[in-house]
Amino acid sequence: AQTVTQSQPEMSVQEAETVTLSCTYDTSESNYYLFWYKQPPSRQMILVIRQEAYKQQNATENRFSVNFQKAAKSFSLKISDSQLGDTAMYFCASLDYGQNFVFGPGTRLSVLP
Amino acid sequence: EPEVTQTPSHQVTQMGQEVILRCVPISNHLYFYWYRQILGQKVEFLVSFYNNEISEKSEIFDDQFSVERPDGSNFTLKIRSTKLEDSAMYFCASSEAHPKEQYFGPGTRLTVT
Repeated sequence: AQTVTQSQPEMSVQEAETVTLSCTYDTSESNYYLFWYKQPPSRQMILVIRQEAYKQQNATENRFSVNFQKAAKSFSLKISDSQLGDTAMYFCASLDYGQNFVFGPGTRLSVLP
Repeated sequence: EPEVTQTPSHQVTQMGQEVILRCVPISNHLYFYWYRQILGQKVEFLVSFYNNEISEKSEIFDDQFSVERPDGSNFTLKIRSTKLEDSAMYFCASSEAHPKEQYFGPGTRLTVT
């Protein structure tokens, strides 16, 4: 069964600084997807970034990038130039072929002015 | 940009009552999902729906729950006899294929009293 672990329940970062959120996962599949979703106080789930496991290149979306280490089953999210609007819960999620999303417990990120 | 919509945003109901949560997925998407998030906890998969039938459901999705696509646009989740522990945020999501990234609606906060 898929499992997703996020070992940092809470983190904080100063505005304009860089922060990295950790995620590890476990799957027996060779093909799968990994995602980071953001949940601001409004509680809407917003897709931040996705990574296909067969792609070696790390995904990047503007200030957001991932460090995907397939052998270590690690999928960390780096937020550069943090902004106040980045304050949210961040959920790591995995999606195997034939399965459904499994979410991690989340990391609460606070961006401090 | 197309988005998933959900109504109502907040529903308060008494224990034992039936509720129907409504979702309008993104129009060209073929896969639909419901998730639940109890306050302070992680997002949990309930059910997936494709080609007018349930493709997968979790242990949470017992006989009290049902889903339906009554017309070409709506996707509903019905809880027949609500319990206090059904109080949660319910998210609808859709994707154009599976497995692919899922786009979430803003959620319906269900409060059972």
